[in-house]
Amino acid sequence: QVQLQESGPGLVKPSQTLSLTCTVSGGSISSGGYYWSWIRQHPGKGLEWIGYIYYSGSTYYNPSLKSRVTISVDTSKNQFSLKLSSVTAADTAVYYCARAHSSGYGPWGQGTLVTVSS
Amino acid sequence: EIVLTQSPATLSLSPGERATLSCRASQSVSSYLAWYQQKPGQAPRLLIYDASNRATGIPARFSGSGSGTDFTLTISSLEPEDFAVYYCQQRSNWPPLDTFGQGTKLEIK
Repeated sequence: QVQLQESGPGLVKPSQTLSLTCTVSGGSISSGGYYWSWIRQHPGKGLEWIGYIYYSGSTYYNPSLKSRVTISVDTSKNQFSLKLSSVTAADTAVYYCARAHSSGYGPWGQGTLVTVSS
Repeated sequence: EIVLTQSPATLSLSPGERATLSCRASQSVSSYLAWYQQKPGQAPRLLIYDASNRATGIPARFSGSGSGTDFTLTISSLEPEDFAVYYCQQRSNWPPLDTFGQGTKLEIK
């Protein structure tokens, strides 16, 4: 079955750019029919949708983050990536990648904690 | 932005009892609503999509209902592994903006 795995630095300095990659296995991003998504969860808090991308490159972002977010896809590596610029402590969170279909998200990666601190 | 309000914030029940969780949307989301279960240290797991469809591998004791603005997740007879936090989530097709409820913690009484 399809599995997702996040990777990237666990510590980012304030004002720098957070970069994460999600590797998809067990299925091809290029097969279509799904959007590939990033979602985050602040410590002890609820879930926040960041955005998603289609294999063709079409992207949709949360308006509250849109000015700082870029999601891209590399179909040759079966990966998609997140870049969040000008980070602050408020961006400290567990970042999940997930496959979006119909009205829901599944499966999800295990999540990766990113801490913003100097 | 569509706001989802879940109630109650905490639900205390015993194994074997029936659980009813509510999710109310600030405007109609049609049937574009999903439910998730999250246990400590784990990613959320999709339970229900399109308001009433069980995701692959989800036991039949989980069911979803509703449309428009009012939705319900029912667990017919609680198993020990069902005690967790549950989130609802809606999908807006245009403009695309998915939002989540604040969660309901289901705890053992």
